[in-house]
Amino acid sequence: EIVMTQSPLSLPVTPGEPASISCRSSQSLLHSNGFHCLAWYLQKPGQSPQLLIYLGSNRASGVPDRFSGSGSGTDFTLKISRVEAEDVGVYYCMQSLQTTITFGQGTRLDIK
Amino acid sequence: QVQLLESGGGVVQPGRSLRLACSASGFTFRSYGMHWVRQAPGKGLEWVAVIWDEGNNKDYTDSAKGRFTISRDNSKNTLYLQMNNLRVEDTAVYYCARTWLGAFDIWGQGTIVTVSS
Repeated sequence: EIVMTQSPLSLPVTPGEPASISCRSSQSLLHSNGFHCLAWYLQKPGQSPQLLIYLGSNRASGVPDRFSGSGSGTDFTLKISRVEAEDVGVYYCMQSLQTTITFGQGTRLDIK
Repeated sequence: QVQLLESGGGVVQPGRSLRLACSASGFTFRSYGMHWVRQAPGKGLEWVAVIWDEGNNKDYTDSAKGRFTISRDNSKNTLYLQMNNLRVEDTAVYYCARTWLGAFDIWGQGTIVTVSS
């Protein structure tokens, strides 16, 4: 099983300021097709998770361009260029390189 | 529009069974792999099971193997999760999700399963 480790687990941010979340995997997520099998989700309070980033760095449809994903191998980062109030919730990374999919523990983003 | 709608949750005693259903609409259901993901109260997301397009290939998390069965009826655009010998630790919100390019691009609203004596 690939273990996914996120940091920090709690992230208070002032509106308008940037935010960054790290996700590390216990083994490389590089697929033989050249893509990284890493996705990011946001679960807003009381809602189902929603896809933000797929294949490591591709924004999902409708996701604001203030969200960006980067990284390679075992180290990945989700960045929010300017946090807005609507970005509050828990962020999860997820690997799908192996059929037994695993998630990170989640990072709770709050507004200061 | 593209939508997933779960049903079948409820309160059940340990050792009993429950079948969840996930009705899909707005897309060609048979063309996508489908997953079940759960979230225990106050906890993170846990992947449970996957079934690929024609239903011949499936996989489960270790805690579900031998107790849960994922299946699909492409003629009814419906995904199922048969859960037997339920345990207290199976208590969670169960989501169905569509897989696309290795990610879950569509999620249902979830159905709550409570296992308690």
